[in-house]
Amino acid sequence: KAGVTQTPRYLIKTRGQQVTLSCSPISGHRSVSWYQQTPGQGLQFLFEYFSETQRNKGNFPGRFSGRQFSNSRSEMNVSTLELGDSALYLCASTFGVASYEQYFGPGTRLTVT
Amino acid sequence: QKEVEQNSGPLSVPEGAIASLNCTYSDRGSQSFFWYRQYSGKSPELIMFIYSNGDKEDGRFTAQLNKASQYVSLLIRDSQPSDSATYLCAVSRAGGYNKLIFGAGTRLAVHP
Repeated sequence: KAGVTQTPRYLIKTRGQQVTLSCSPISGHRSVSWYQQTPGQGLQFLFEYFSETQRNKGNFPGRFSGRQFSNSRSEMNVSTLELGDSALYLCASTFGVASYEQYFGPGTRLTVT
Repeated sequence: QKEVEQNSGPLSVPEGAIASLNCTYSDRGSQSFFWYRQYSGKSPELIMFIYSNGDKEDGRFTAQLNKASQYVSLLIRDSQPSDSATYLCAVSRAGGYNKLIFGAGTRLAVHP
């Protein structure tokens, strides 16, 4: 069974631009969660989608948004990029409705200059 | 107080020894507990999960959960240099759906 895939793997953007990251979950998994990982803050939850509905959102500004499609693929968007948005963005896929095991994709490394 | 606390390490153990990694959490409503291993430059890899009080063993790994003490640990027996990585403890709460709250991670170094 294929794992979680994320595209692109690496991105370099300039301040003020926007970016869209994509995640395809494991086949059959309906929940997709997004996390941001930085050396200073560690792994922080951004949001979770289940059956195209956002069920949970972390403490991030409104510049961070996401969506999920009917095939469970998910995208997250960051508008008006800031230097502090440089991070590893991780997508995790889960089969169950709640508190089940999550499997991470390889991540997208975003650098904002 | 952070919701999930781990000693940042590094925890240094000799090859073949038992490595013991600890994690405490503050929310008594926490219901599922996960250990992830993350190699430098890679994404986290799930190695253990535990939902009930007690021990759960999988190969060289044992997870231990004590909800009364709000404590979860990971034991790695016969530690190998390839086990050198950062180990992340993660917790999900009742009503939190699939939101995971992570500790800062413990860096483990296994030396030959």
